[in-house]
Amino acid sequence: QKEVEQNSGPLSVPEGAIASLNCTYSDRGSQSFFWYRQYSGKSPELIMSIYSNGDKEDGRFTAQLNKASQYVSLLIRDSQPSDSATYLCAVIFLSSGSARQLTFGSGTQLTVLP
Amino acid sequence: NAGVTQTPKFQVLKTGQSMTLQCAQDMNHNSMYWYRQDPGMGLRLIYYSASEGTTDKGEVPNGYNVSRLNKREFSLRLESAAPSQTSVYFCASSEGSGRGNIQYFGAGTRLSVL
Repeated sequence: QKEVEQNSGPLSVPEGAIASLNCTYSDRGSQSFFWYRQYSGKSPELIMSIYSNGDKEDGRFTAQLNKASQYVSLLIRDSQPSDSATYLCAVIFLSSGSARQLTFGSGTQLTVLP
Repeated sequence: NAGVTQTPKFQVLKTGQSMTLQCAQDMNHNSMYWYRQDPGMGLRLIYYSASEGTTDKGEVPNGYNVSRLNKREFSLRLESAAPSQTSVYFCASSEGSGRGNIQYFGAGTRLSVL
């Protein structure tokens, strides 16, 4: 069974702090991992993708992947009020085959307090 | 740069009515997807089309049908709407190949079934 688990939050951090968002997944053989940001009433937009163990940095965002622990995280440095949104973790499970379907977690709601 | 366009943006139906949600992409993507999103939940895959001429069921296909009209267009039909189908519906598209398979989302259709 394909499962992606996230802490639903809400997670509140003060402006300028580091926000840490976590995700676990059920299939050890999965290869592709994504973080989407979704503002209230809007559609999801991709902010990070990661495929190999370790860290991947893009501006204020860092994705971390540990396949042995089946764990992927997103760090947001110098958090801004504009980062307030729901963050969705998504995984392409090995079992999805050529269809390469995404399985989404339920999302973590982040609020950055001014 | 329209990306993924969904129509309509809002719709109210009575139980038992039928309707078709339209989706078109202008990125020459091979794969297209339909998701639903309910409050507090992530996106759940209804149907997908890995390539023109093919469609397959996702996680929650009951009560829905789809048509991949051509490479650009992928429609979702509710034959007899039920209150349980009240949700936000997102269409997405992707290249469909490679490790990434990054999906791009439309703005969504907010459907209420009374």
